[in-house]
Amino acid sequence: DGGITQSPKYLFRKEGQNVTLSCEQNLNHDAMYWYRQDPGQGLRLIYYSQIVNDFQKGDIAEGYSVSREKKESFPLTVTSAQKNPTAFYLCASSISRGTYNEQFFGPGTRLTVL
Amino acid sequence: AQTVTQSQPEMSVQEAETVTLSCTYDTSESDYYLFWYKQPPSRQMILVIRQEAYKQQNATENRFSVNFQKAAKSFSLKISDSQLGDAAMYFCAYIEYTGANSKLTFGKGITLSVRP
Repeated sequence: DGGITQSPKYLFRKEGQNVTLSCEQNLNHDAMYWYRQDPGQGLRLIYYSQIVNDFQKGDIAEGYSVSREKKESFPLTVTSAQKNPTAFYLCASSISRGTYNEQFFGPGTRLTVL
Repeated sequence: AQTVTQSQPEMSVQEAETVTLSCTYDTSESDYYLFWYKQPPSRQMILVIRQEAYKQQNATENRFSVNFQKAAKSFSLKISDSQLGDAAMYFCAYIEYTGANSKLTFGKGITLSVRP
């Protein structure tokens, strides 16, 4: 089955540690996205990538980093510089970036900072 | 910047009844898309329905339909014959095509509960 996988489902981190969230898709999509979801906030865009080896900052990129070395993979690193990292993180992909393409979402990762 | 407003944080509907979820947006563009996404307790985001701004006809998908009022910048979702499985958080979203800078903007969501 084609789809998007995110791992782990739950992640715990101590303050001061970097942590990497995995996102993999086998839909052959060019574009991939990372969103953060907080209670009462909706989804906010962290980073996006239109093509391999290219990515752009979204609205709340500070304290996060990404890489796009393979078309299928778009990992997100939450660094110690992110002041309030506890949240639900969603990865998405689309055929290409633009208006006409539906974004498909993964099941999400819940990150908790202890 | 474009904004999407969902002013009702929570709504409730009796099973088999009809409910309408409201959404307004702000834009100066004439070409854009609007979406409703559903997020059930599993937290998997699912696209429910989408509307192209240049189409006057309201989109429908089985029990789901929209009332798109372009001049009023309003985009409401009607759920007919509500079912227990419709209980979820619903997000309204907007995207305009501005080339490389196009992005999906979400409202804050509304939690829908369905009473048996």
